[in-house]
Amino acid sequence: KAGVTQTPRYLIKTRGQQVTLSCSPISGHRSVSWYQQTPGQGLQFLFEYFSETQRNKGNFPGRFSGRQFSNSRSEMNVSTLELGDSALYLCASSPVGTGYSYEQYFGPGTRLTVT
Amino acid sequence: AQSVAQPEDQVNVAEGNPLTVKCTYSVSGNPYLFWYVQYPNRGLQFLLKYITGDNLVKGSYGFEAEFNKSQTSFHLKKPSALVSDSALYFCAVRDHSGAGSYQLTFGKGTKLSVIP
Repeated sequence: KAGVTQTPRYLIKTRGQQVTLSCSPISGHRSVSWYQQTPGQGLQFLFEYFSETQRNKGNFPGRFSGRQFSNSRSEMNVSTLELGDSALYLCASSPVGTGYSYEQYFGPGTRLTVT
Repeated sequence: AQSVAQPEDQVNVAEGNPLTVKCTYSVSGNPYLFWYVQYPNRGLQFLLKYITGDNLVKGSYGFEAEFNKSQTSFHLKKPSALVSDSALYFCAVRDHSGAGSYQLTFGKGTKLSVIP
């Protein structure tokens, strides 16, 4: 099975711009989560989608948003970029959405640099 | 609220020696515990998990972890370290008390360096 894929892998944007990142989960996985990873804050949970519905949201401003499509693919959008948004954005998928015991499988991440 | 602490930012171990990466957790109910590894410029790879049952869990690449409920710990171990084990290790917890959150909470990570 193909793993989680994320596009693009690298992105450079300017302050004030907006950006859209894409994630394709492992086939059959219906839950997709997004994380922001920075050296200072570590891994921080952004949001989780299951069956096109946002089920959980982390403590991030409204500039961060996401969605999930009927094929489970997900996108996240960051509007009005700030320098502090520079980070590795990781997407992870899980095989089921109603249990708590399943591990998440991560993609390689999108490295976003805001200048 | 759930939380994870990895008390060591960095662990250095000689190749061939046993290694331990420490993790303690806090949840209101019973925990599901996970270990992940991250190599440079890569995503996280799942190593192992504790759900229930035997307190010693075996995972990928020869790693194992010991769940200790009284000490709320879930330390990662390997009997003989390899240079290729050098990476960033993350412990994570999910509370399955039924509160409805499927969110995984991660520790800050521990950088493991295996010295040849």
